[in-house]
Amino acid sequence: AQSVTQLGSHVSVSEGALVLLRCNYSSSVPPYLFWYVQYPNQGLQLLLKYTTGATLVKGINGFEAEFKKSETSFHLTKPSAHMSDAAEYFCAVTAPTGNQFYFGTGTSLTVIP
Amino acid sequence: DAGVIQSPRHEVTEMGQEVTLRCKPISGHDYLFWYRQTMMRGLELLIYFNNNVPIDDSGMPEDRFSAKMPNASFSTLKIQPSEPRDSAVYFCASSPRSGPYNEQFFGPGTRLTVL
Repeated sequence: AQSVTQLGSHVSVSEGALVLLRCNYSSSVPPYLFWYVQYPNQGLQLLLKYTTGATLVKGINGFEAEFKKSETSFHLTKPSAHMSDAAEYFCAVTAPTGNQFYFGTGTSLTVIP
Repeated sequence: DAGVIQSPRHEVTEMGQEVTLRCKPISGHDYLFWYRQTMMRGLELLIYFNNNVPIDDSGMPEDRFSAKMPNASFSTLKIQPSEPRDSAVYFCASSPRSGPYNEQFFGPGTRLTVL
């Protein structure tokens, strides 16, 4: 079975500051990991994903995440926050042979001008 | 591509009424998912289809909920009778033939309010 835990339901950063959103996963098999972003009144859209290969994954809008098996983590980072990054962020996990995504509870990011 | 299309975008109804939510997946996608999002429970998978066949409906909360996919381009989620606790945003998502562990493409959602 797979699951993800997102630490911190709300994160606030100043514009230009580092963004760090935390995600830890649990999986009995090698996981596939995803970050999705949800802007107000919209559906979720994919930021980035890790399946196999390079553990540092780059996504859209300057975001990246690193798969750390030893820490069972897949934290999302961005060097410099922009006002347009304010949104809800969801970490998700699935298994290569599975058919379901398991989403975290989400982290709401606020960017302070 | 128009993306996943959901209708209506907003629905307000009274308790006891039947509600039907509609979804048109992206053409060529073989997987279709229905999710419910609430503040209390977050994003929950209700049911998913593969090639129009329901594969896992274990997330459907109770018999008042039913979902169908009569063809590759259309799915419905029905609630009958509706209750105030069904108020939520309902998302439809689709995924391409290459497998559900690839990206899921989400629709804009239907915000349901049951009074």
